[in-house]
Amino acid sequence: AQTVTQSQPEMSVQEAETVTLSCTYDTSESNYYLFWYKQPPSRQMILVIRQEAYKQQNATENRFSVNFQKAAKSFSLKISDSQLGDTAMYFCAFIPSGAGSYQLTFGKGTKLSVIP
Amino acid sequence: GAGVSQTPSNKVTEKGKYVELRCDPISGHTALYWYRQSLGQGPEFLIYFQGTGAADDSGLPNDRFFAVRPEGSVSTLKIQRTERGDSAVYLCASSPLGADGETQYFGPGTRLLVL
Repeated sequence: AQTVTQSQPEMSVQEAETVTLSCTYDTSESNYYLFWYKQPPSRQMILVIRQEAYKQQNATENRFSVNFQKAAKSFSLKISDSQLGDTAMYFCAFIPSGAGSYQLTFGKGTKLSVIP
Repeated sequence: GAGVSQTPSNKVTEKGKYVELRCDPISGHTALYWYRQSLGQGPEFLIYFQGTGAADDSGLPNDRFFAVRPEGSVSTLKIQRTERGDSAVYLCASSPLGADGETQYFGPGTRLLVL
């Protein structure tokens, strides 16, 4: 079974600053996919970024980037130039590759507050 | 539609009652997933549909929970004899094909409160 751990229940950052959210995972799989989702108070989970484990290059999406360390089983999210709209819960999620893999396994989330 | 929609947005019921939660996936998506999110937790998988069939229902907690997708589009999650422990946000997601590593697109969820 896979587990996902987010060790920071809450974080805050000043507007325009940079913040990094941590995520570690435990798996015996060699190939898999990792995701960061954002959940604002509206409850809708919004995809922030997706990483394929077999790709060495870290994924980036505008102000969002990841630091993927496969050997360490670490997948942190960096948010640059933080904006008030980034205030939300952030969830790290894992899914193994291969047939029969449909279930996303989520961490407990990090509540991020962006302070004006 | 433009995104996954779920109705109702909120549902309050009494212990022992029956409830139905509806999910409308993104048009053309064949894969549909249900998750349950308890307070302070990440979502937990309940069931996965590929077309009309439940391909994986290993996450359903017990036989009071049942889901259908009769025409391969809209899905309904049904909970019989509700218990207070069923209170949670029920999230639905869809993806185009259910292919390896495909992004799952979520709806806004239904918040269920069992009194």
